[in-house]
Amino acid sequence: EPEVTQTPSHQVTQMGQEVILRCVPISNHLYFYWYRQILGQKVEFLVSFYNNEISEKSEIFDDQFSVERPDGSNFTLKIRSTKLEDSAMYFCASSATGTGKAGELFFGEGSRLTVL
Amino acid sequence: AQSVTQPDIHITVSEGASLELRCNYSYGATPYLFWYVQSPGQGLQLLLKYFSGDTLVQGIKGFEAEFKRSQSSFNLRKPSVHWSDAAEYFCAVGEMSSNTGKLIFGQGTTLQVKP
Repeated sequence: EPEVTQTPSHQVTQMGQEVILRCVPISNHLYFYWYRQILGQKVEFLVSFYNNEISEKSEIFDDQFSVERPDGSNFTLKIRSTKLEDSAMYFCASSATGTGKAGELFFGEGSRLTVL
Repeated sequence: AQSVTQPDIHITVSEGASLELRCNYSYGATPYLFWYVQSPGQGLQLLLKYFSGDTLVQGIKGFEAEFKRSQSSFNLRKPSVHWSDAAEYFCAVGEMSSNTGKLIFGQGTTLQVKP
């Protein structure tokens, strides 16, 4: 069964460092997403990406965050200068269609980011 | 603003017993509703979804959920729980008119299964 894969599974970084989280969505999917879950809190929407551009982003997704689809397979989330509060599990997801068209999101296993 | 509430943070049931996980949502329009499960070390797996039609939906692993518009609820049920069902369960609501895939998640309910 096709799946969304994420790397790394766990990354520890120093505050102020740049971090790139990588995702390989399901190959025929068109919509890509990043969500995050701070320990003990809800899973929160960060950003959605379609047709090579951001289609929606949350207030969390400020200038420190960026997303990119550098080639035909990878989808990356970059945090330019990490803060302690960026420590969380980051989930990548993809869907064949957007939610509004009865799309189903397929999630990866997550990348745990720890900022020291 | 849209919100999802899962009133029970932690539930413990005996293996073989029935299960109901509660979910209430606050949403102005007709929502899309989802239940996801997260086993330890795993990603979020879709159990079932409701978009329209029959308000009782069947999902994987023997789960079902019932949409009750009058109560703004979408409770998840299983008649007989198995030890492998121990996991965290998330209810989520999506925007029907949205193409962006933005889901609003509840806090999650951790299910523990006693032998």
